[in-house]
Amino acid sequence: AQTVTQSQPEMSVQEAETVTLSCTYDTSESDYYLFWYKQPPSRQMILVIRQEAYKQQNATENRFSVNFQKAAKSFSLKISDSQLGDAAMYFCAYRSGLIQGAQKLVFGQGTRLTINP
Amino acid sequence: DSGVTQTPKHLITATGQRVTLRCSPRSGDLSVYWYQQSLDQGLQFLIQYYNGEERAKGNILERFSAQQFPDLHSELNLSSLELGDSALYFCASTSSGRPYNEQFFGPGTRLTVL
Repeated sequence: AQTVTQSQPEMSVQEAETVTLSCTYDTSESDYYLFWYKQPPSRQMILVIRQEAYKQQNATENRFSVNFQKAAKSFSLKISDSQLGDAAMYFCAYRSGLIQGAQKLVFGQGTRLTINP
Repeated sequence: DSGVTQTPKHLITATGQRVTLRCSPRSGDLSVYWYQQSLDQGLQFLIQYYNGEERAKGNILERFSAQQFPDLHSELNLSSLELGDSALYFCASTSSGRPYNEQFFGPGTRLTVL
């Protein structure tokens, strides 16, 4: 079974600074997808960024980028120029690439990010 | 707004009772997923339906059941409720069973069992 681990329960950063959230995962599959979701105080789950395992290039979405290390099974999220609106719980998630397989998301425990003004 | 709707937003009930949570997926989405978010278990997958048929099961208790109707809305039934069932229940939908498709989450139903 696949597992996702986020070792940082809480992180804080100064506004406008850069912060990196860590995530490691375990799988025996070669085809899969990795995601970072943001959950603000409203509790809505919002997709931040997605990475396909077969792509070597790291995904970027504006101020958000990932460092995907497939061999190390590491998938960290970097937030540049942190803004107050980035304060939220961040979840790393794994999804199998097998079409016949379960398409569920497997989530890490989450990292609570605080932005200090 | 993700386009996924869930009702009710909040539900308070007593132990031993039965409740039904409803989810309407985005227009055209065939696949519905249910997740449970609790303080001790985190975010866990419960069950997936695709076009009316059960596709996958996760850590769903026998007291829980779900179905997807011909109009593609889904219901999650929770019975013989226990204090530990208190959680936020999310529904998510996606257009097909393709793994690269984004799962769009609804706002969740907050269940409190007293």
